[in-house]
Amino acid sequence: KAGVTQTPRYLIKTRGQQVTLSCSPISGHRSVSWYQQTPGQGLQFLFEYFSETQRNKGNFPGRFSGRQFSNSRSEMNVSTLELGDSALYLCASNAGDRTDTQYFGPGTRLTVL
Amino acid sequence: AQSVTQPDIHITVSEGASLELRCNYSYGATPYLFWYVQSPGQGLQLLLKYFSGDTLVQGIKGFEAEFKRSQSSFNLRKPSVHWSDAAEYFCAVAVYGGSQGNLIFGKGTKLSVKP
Repeated sequence: KAGVTQTPRYLIKTRGQQVTLSCSPISGHRSVSWYQQTPGQGLQFLFEYFSETQRNKGNFPGRFSGRQFSNSRSEMNVSTLELGDSALYLCASNAGDRTDTQYFGPGTRLTVL
Repeated sequence: AQSVTQPDIHITVSEGASLELRCNYSYGATPYLFWYVQSPGQGLQLLLKYFSGDTLVQGIKGFEAEFKRSQSSFNLRKPSVHWSDAAEYFCAVAVYGGSQGNLIFGKGTKLSVKP
């Protein structure tokens, strides 16, 4: 079974621009979560989608948003990019039950100049 | 508030030596605990998890972890480290809001292996 895939793997943007990252979960998985990883703050939870609905949300500003499609693929969008948004963005999927393990993708490395 | 503490930022061990990575958590209910490993430029790979039952959990790559409720700890161990184990290790606790949980991670412990 194919793992979690994320596209693109690397991205360079400038301040003020917006960006969209994509995540395809493991086949059959209905939950997708997004995390931001930075050297200073570590790994932080952004939000989780299940059956096209946001089910859980971390403590990030409204510039960070996401959505999930009927095939469980998910996108996250960051508007008005700031230098501090430079990070590795990780997507994780699971089958949807609360005890299911989250499986992570390789991440998208976003650099904001 | 829920939190995970990994006291050691960086550990260096010799190849073949034993390893213990420390993890302490703060969570009011019965925790669901995880150890993940991350190689440079890669995502996170699950090593093992604890939900309930036997407090000694076996994982992949020869790792094990022991849940100690009295100490709020979930330390990761390996009896003999291989050079390929050099990576960053993250302990996490699952926190539930609504019907599904998100993970709260520790800051990670970077493991270096000396030949």
